[in-house]
Amino acid sequence: GENVEQHPSTLSVQEGDSAVIKCTYSDSASNYFPWYKQELGKRPQLIIDIRSNVGEKKDQRIAVTLNKTAKHFSLHITETQPEDSAVYFCAAGSGGSEKLVFGKGTKLTVNP
Amino acid sequence: GAVVSQHPSWVICKSGTSVKIECRSLDFQATTMFWYRQFPKQSLMLMATSNEGSKATYEQGVEKDKFLINHASLTLSTLTVTSAHPEDSSFYICSARVPGGETQYFGPGTRLLVL
Repeated sequence: GENVEQHPSTLSVQEGDSAVIKCTYSDSASNYFPWYKQELGKRPQLIIDIRSNVGEKKDQRIAVTLNKTAKHFSLHITETQPEDSAVYFCAAGSGGSEKLVFGKGTKLTVNP
Repeated sequence: GAVVSQHPSWVICKSGTSVKIECRSLDFQATTMFWYRQFPKQSLMLMATSNEGSKATYEQGVEKDKFLINHASLTLSTLTVTSAHPEDSSFYICSARVPGGETQYFGPGTRLLVL
C-alpha cells in the first residue's frame, strides 16, 4: 500500500521567512496530493492540493510543487505570519482507492 | 459550501459502555465518508471508509465488531464504539467527499475519554 513520509517533524522560522515542508510517496498510482493545516484541537483544513498532471500550483503565499518522477511533493509558505503556526499534513491518494494516506505531520512555529 | 458537522464534540464515558458519534454533511450529499482516529501529537489514521447503503471497509487492524459504522443516508454516517475501554480514548474525526471530487472535508472531531 501507499506510504507517505513527511519532513521535518518540527520547523521553527522567524516571521517573514519562508517555510518548506517535504513529502515523499511510494505508490506511483497516486495522483492527488492535498495539504491540510490543523490548529490545536481543531479539524484539519485543506489549504492547497495538486493533481499529478500539474507540476506546481500557487495560491497567494502558499505553493505546492510535485515531482512525479522522484515521487515527492513540497509545500512552500512565503512571508510567514504567526497565524501560520499549526501542524501541516501532506497526503496522497488515488482515484481508484478513494482514501488518503497522511504523512506524520510537521509542527510549524512562526516566531514574531 | 462543503461543511461537515460532528456530534458530540466531547464525550466522557465509563469503561464498558458504548458511544455513538454522528457525522453529517450539511450542504452536500456524501456517498463516501471516512472515519479517522488521531492520538495526541500524531497523524490521522484511517479507520474505515463508509459507503452509503453498503458495508464499511475497515483498515487492517481495526476491529469491525468494536467500531460499528452505519451510513444510512447520503448525509449521515455514525460510528459506534462498543464496550469502550480507556485505550479507546482518542480524537475521532470524520470526513466526507463531495460527489465526483477527491477533496475530503473534515468534521470538527469528537474527543472521547473513557474512564
